[in-house]
Amino acid sequence: AQTVTQSQPEMSVQEAETVTLSCTYDTSESDYYLFWYKQPPSRQMILVIRQEAYKQQNATENRFSVNFQKAAKSFSLKISDSQLGDAAMYFCAYRAPGTSGSRLTFGEGTQLTVNP
Amino acid sequence: NAGVTQTPKFQVLKTGQSMTLQCAQDMNHEYMSWYRQDPGMGLRLIHYSVGAGITDQGEVPNGYNVSRSTTEDFPLRLLSAAPSQTSVYFCASSYSTYNSPLHFGNGTRLTVT
Repeated sequence: AQTVTQSQPEMSVQEAETVTLSCTYDTSESDYYLFWYKQPPSRQMILVIRQEAYKQQNATENRFSVNFQKAAKSFSLKISDSQLGDAAMYFCAYRAPGTSGSRLTFGEGTQLTVNP
Repeated sequence: NAGVTQTPKFQVLKTGQSMTLQCAQDMNHEYMSWYRQDPGMGLRLIHYSVGAGITDQGEVPNGYNVSRSTTEDFPLRLLSAAPSQTSVYFCASSYSTYNSPLHFGNGTRLTVT
């Protein structure tokens, strides 16, 4: 079974600084997608960024980018120029092709605090 | 376009009571699922469905039932609530291809006393 691990339960960053959240996963598949979701205090789950395993180029969405290392099974999220609104719980998630409708597996989450 | 509508937002139950969490989506997604979120454990899959009439168990299915009579609706039933079912519950939907992100409802905070 696939597993996703986020080894940092909590992180903090100063406003305008850069922070990197770690995620590792375990799989025997060669093709899959990885996602980062953000959950602010409102409890809403918001897609931040996604990466296809076959694409070597790291995905970027404005201030959010990933460092995808397929061989190391690592998928970290970098937030540049951190803003107060970035404070949230961040979840890494994995999804692969399959007859099970492509179930999504989540990590434990990293709580990010942004200090003014 | 409402997306994924989940009700209620909050619920308090006594041990042994039953209830149904409602979930509806208007995006014609084949895949629907229920997750529970507990501190330090991320989101864990309870049940999922890949289409009307098809459901299957996820990681933590005990104490929960689901059915999928239409593409739009995927209710989650708690048969006899227990304090261990105190959690935040999320319904989510997507196309069933693996490159499709999940769209989430706003969650239900359930407390069982």
